[in-house]
Amino acid sequence: AQSVTQLDSQVPVFEEAPVELRCNYSSSVSVYLFWYVQYPNQGLQLLLKYLSGSTLVESINGFEAEFNKSQTSFHLRKPSVHISDTAEYFCAVKVSGSARQLTFGSGTQLTVLP
Amino acid sequence: SQTIHQWPATLVQPVGSPLSLECTVEGTSNPNLYWYRQAAGRGLQLLFYSVGIGQISSEVPQNLSASRPQDRQFILSSKKLLLSDSGFYLCAWSGTAHEKLFFGSGTQLSVL
Repeated sequence: AQSVTQLDSQVPVFEEAPVELRCNYSSSVSVYLFWYVQYPNQGLQLLLKYLSGSTLVESINGFEAEFNKSQTSFHLRKPSVHISDTAEYFCAVKVSGSARQLTFGSGTQLTVLP
Repeated sequence: SQTIHQWPATLVQPVGSPLSLECTVEGTSNPNLYWYRQAAGRGLQLLFYSVGIGQISSEVPQNLSASRPQDRQFILSSKKLLLSDSGFYLCAWSGTAHEKLFFGSGTQLSVL
């Protein structure tokens, strides 16, 4: 079975500072990796995903994540955060071709301070 | 385009009362459907998933049950709620490629 570990439950950063949200996974088979974001009082929405190919994936709002197979990591980064990035971020892993769907990490609350 | 509707948005129920949360998907056929729970300070836990009408897989033993009476309808139920059932419940769907989940807006359930 696969598992996901998000090492930081809370990450406060100042506006325009860089941020990294860490995610490590374990799985005995090939997986897909995802980052979902949950803004206050809303459901989750997909931020970015790695299925195959280039190990660096980017979102439309400036976030990027790099799949590192040797370190079994999929850390999320942004070089300069905005107040509007304040949200909870979930890393998730999925066995390819499985209907069982995602195993989520416990989440990281990113709070951007003015 | 596809949409997912989940209701109610908030619900306050006494211990021992029944529960019924409903989720419907529009704009697609034969979706895979999921119920997740997000407890305060914890991550998302998969409760049930369904790959077709009447087909329900339960992930964890619990006080809840799920049903899929129609292709695009997924219902989460309980006969008698417990305090520990409080949490944020999210319905989601995916296509047959299983690559991406689309989430509903969630239901905040408080059991008092």
